[in-house]
Amino acid sequence: NAGVMQNPRHLVRRRGQEARLRCSPMKGHSHVYWYRQLPEEGLKFMVYLQKENIIDESGMPKERFSAEFPKEGPSILRIQQVVRGDSAAYFCASSRQYNEQFFGPGTRLTVL
Amino acid sequence: GDSVTQMEGPVTLSEEAFLTINCTYTATGYPSLFWYVQYPGEGLQLLLKATKADDKGSNKGFEATYRKETTSFHLEKGSVQVSDSAVYFCALSKGNTPLVFGKGTRLSVIA
Repeated sequence: NAGVMQNPRHLVRRRGQEARLRCSPMKGHSHVYWYRQLPEEGLKFMVYLQKENIIDESGMPKERFSAEFPKEGPSILRIQQVVRGDSAAYFCASSRQYNEQFFGPGTRLTVL
Repeated sequence: GDSVTQMEGPVTLSEEAFLTINCTYTATGYPSLFWYVQYPGEGLQLLLKATKADDKGSNKGFEATYRKETTSFHLEKGSVQVSDSAVYFCALSKGNTPLVFGKGTRLSVIA
């Protein structure tokens, strides 16, 4: 059973470009969570989705950030017009209903 | 809101030493408690969990007991190895809610 998959593992963007981060949950998992980790800090929750629905986006900046989890395909975290402060590791986790979350390897975004 | 506080690092130990990483939490209701471990350049791996008071989670020689009276979930290991060097995160959640993490404790074990 493959684990949570994220791609790309490393992403470099220039200021003002768009970043698209993908997450494929584990088989049988319908809950997806995105977290951001700044250097030398813990993980901060961004958004929680189930298939085709955003359940909680209270941790996501209101501008430039969006997320989706379509009926078919991976979950996407999209950052428009990136700035240097967006440089971080972005982790996706998935779970079944009322079960522990399993994490992917992360996407490390660097904004030049 | 809910929160998790864990001891600041870094923690440096010699091989075979005893490890304790303190974790306390503040939460309404009945959270589940977790310890995750992060090796350099990798994602988080679930190390152990406990879902109700007095439960003990254990894995790979690590253990932690859910203490409701002291709102604590301290991580312990009797004899650490160099391969245990990593960052350890304490976390809580309730049902399907997102995880709330502590800031992490970096452990270095020297031979």
